[in-house]
Amino acid sequence: AQKITQTQPGMFVQEKEAVTLDCTYDTSDQSYGLFWYKQPSSGEMIFLIYQGSYDEQNATEGRYSLNFQKARKSANLVISASQLGDSAMYFCAMRTNFGNEKLTFGTGTRLTIIP
Amino acid sequence: DGGITQSPKYLFRKEGQNVTLSCEQNLNHDAMYWYRQDPGQGLRLIYYSQIVNDFQKGDIAEGYSVSREKKESFPLTVTSAQKNPTAFYLCASSPRVGARYQETQYFGPGTRLLVL
Repeated sequence: AQKITQTQPGMFVQEKEAVTLDCTYDTSDQSYGLFWYKQPSSGEMIFLIYQGSYDEQNATEGRYSLNFQKARKSANLVISASQLGDSAMYFCAMRTNFGNEKLTFGTGTRLTIIP
Repeated sequence: DGGITQSPKYLFRKEGQNVTLSCEQNLNHDAMYWYRQDPGQGLRLIYYSQIVNDFQKGDIAEGYSVSREKKESFPLTVTSAQKNPTAFYLCASSPRVGARYQETQYFGPGTRLLVL
């Protein structure tokens, strides 16, 4: 069974600083995908970034990057130059590559950006 | 604009009543999903459908039912058997089934269900 652990229930970060949101995962599968989603107060889940288990380079999407350490089973999200609009819940999720379309989610981290 | 719509935004249920949450997508996606989110929790999968007229139970299917008569529609019924239905319900879709595991799921705006 897959499991995602996010150990930071909440974080407060000064505007323009970088922030790292932690995510560790557990799976016995060799092929899997890791996702990060942002959920603002409106409730919609917004896809941010993806990392495949066989990808040799860490994924980047604009201000978002994923610090993928396969041996440690961690997939931390790094947001550079944080903005007030980054305040939201952030969820890490995983999907294995066996035709199972299920996403397993962590419990999330609430990020608050301080002006 | 292409996207996923969910209605209503808020829904109130009386004891013993069945209610149906609507989910429509015009993205031409094959797969559709229903998730439940409780306060302070991540999302849990209720049901998913990979093709019209077929659907699979997720982790917490008890007390829920679905149908997939059209590719673009995947309604969720919360039955009276669901004893604790108060939650935020999110519908999602993804382009293809099993073709690329990195394909993300796209989410609708959600429906908040409250019990009177």
